[in-house]
Amino acid sequence: NAGVTQTPKFQVLKTGQSMTLQCAQDMNHNSMYWYRQDPGMGLRLIYYSASEGTTDKGEVPNGYNVSRLNKREFSLRLESAAPSQTSVYFCASSEGAFGGTEAFFGQGTRLTVV
Amino acid sequence: AQSVAQPEDQVNVAEGNPLTVKCTYSVSGNPYLFWYVQYPNRGLQFLLKYITGDNLVKGSYGFEAEFNKSQTSFHLKKPSALVSDSALYFCAVRDTGRRALTFGSGTRLQVQP
Repeated sequence: NAGVTQTPKFQVLKTGQSMTLQCAQDMNHNSMYWYRQDPGMGLRLIYYSASEGTTDKGEVPNGYNVSRLNKREFSLRLESAAPSQTSVYFCASSEGAFGGTEAFFGQGTRLTVV
Repeated sequence: AQSVAQPEDQVNVAEGNPLTVKCTYSVSGNPYLFWYVQYPNRGLQFLLKYITGDNLVKGSYGFEAEFNKSQTSFHLKKPSALVSDSALYFCAVRDTGRRALTFGSGTRLQVQP
């Protein structure tokens, strides 16, 4: 089982460039999430999608956009990258948003903005 | 609002000794509580969860956690630590009616041989 697959694994951007982080899950989960991980701050929620066709802002949405392309795929876009967006980005999915089910995480994308 | 606190940045323990990683939470409703582990350059892996029922929850790799409602705590424990348990541990909470998890800042567990 592939689980949650993120691409790319590493990326270096120049300030002002744009890019899209891709995420796909093969577990038929309804809910998908994007988190960023920064030292000493744990994981912070950027955006989530409770079901296909819906997206909602999380704790730190500024500078990001998302698309729930279908049930499997949830992409995160940086329109104009800034050094403050240097981070490790994790995509996750879970069966239900309200049921207290555990989330499954991808291996992360390490993004550096110079 | 939901929040999680992990008061220790790092916990050091000798192999074979019991370990505890602390977590306290704040929610307005009933909490769903989770522990995740992260090994270097990897994503988070689920360890265990508390939804309802027994306050002592058993999970993967011999870990367990005790839910204490009066102290709003959910400490992770293991009776006998292994060197391979060395990793970054995250506590997370979801309040009833909320859609996503809130994570603590993480505790690095170092088990010395």
